[in-house]
Amino acid sequence: GQQVMQIPQYQHVQEGEDFTTYCNSSTTLSNIQWYKQRPGGHPVFLIQLVKSGEVKKQKRLTFQFGEAKKNSSLHITATQTTDVGTYFCAGRRTSYDKVIFGPGTSLSVIP
Amino acid sequence: DTEVTQTPKHLVMGMTNKKSLKCEQHMGHRAMYWYKQKAKKPPELMFVYSYEKLSINESVPSRFSPECPNSSLLNLHLHALQPEDSALYLCASRATWGTGELFFGEGSRLTVL
Repeated sequence: GQQVMQIPQYQHVQEGEDFTTYCNSSTTLSNIQWYKQRPGGHPVFLIQLVKSGEVKKQKRLTFQFGEAKKNSSLHITATQTTDVGTYFCAGRRTSYDKVIFGPGTSLSVIP
Repeated sequence: DTEVTQTPKHLVMGMTNKKSLKCEQHMGHRAMYWYKQKAKKPPELMFVYSYEKLSINESVPSRFSPECPNSSLLNLHLHALQPEDSALYLCASRATWGTGELFFGEGSRLTVL
């Protein structure tokens, strides 16, 4: 079946340090989405990547989609306490309806 | 209105009870989802409705029965659940245009005794 993996599982950083989470799929994805879930909250959409090699930026967040469309990364520059939460990648393969979440990376930011 | 509303927020039920979770959206989205999420785990896909028809059932046990009465409403009927079914049940909707982002509700926290 469709497998989406993420590393690391947990990351603790000092405020102001950078953070990166990596997402890897066993199969080629048609697109990949990133979501953020704050503690006690629900997942909130951040971005979707569709094209091979695509790079998108949102303020301090940079998202990349690999050339083979099997991996993706999310990089946060100069983390802030508001970045705390779990970051999930979510992939689609052939079915547009089927959105499968990776296991997530939990980010803690130490002030 | 960009909200997905789920009720109830919390539900405690016994293993012999029958209850329902409800989800509503008024964004004109024609795809609606049920996900199950255990603590410190990702959302796990259960069902997808597309244009009010069940398009995906991820081999969910029959004690969970989804229903989509119209394009704005999604229900999840619960019967004879097990304690291991205790989890956060998330509803999401998606437009059939644009980025395909999922809009999630706040979830229904279910405890099965």
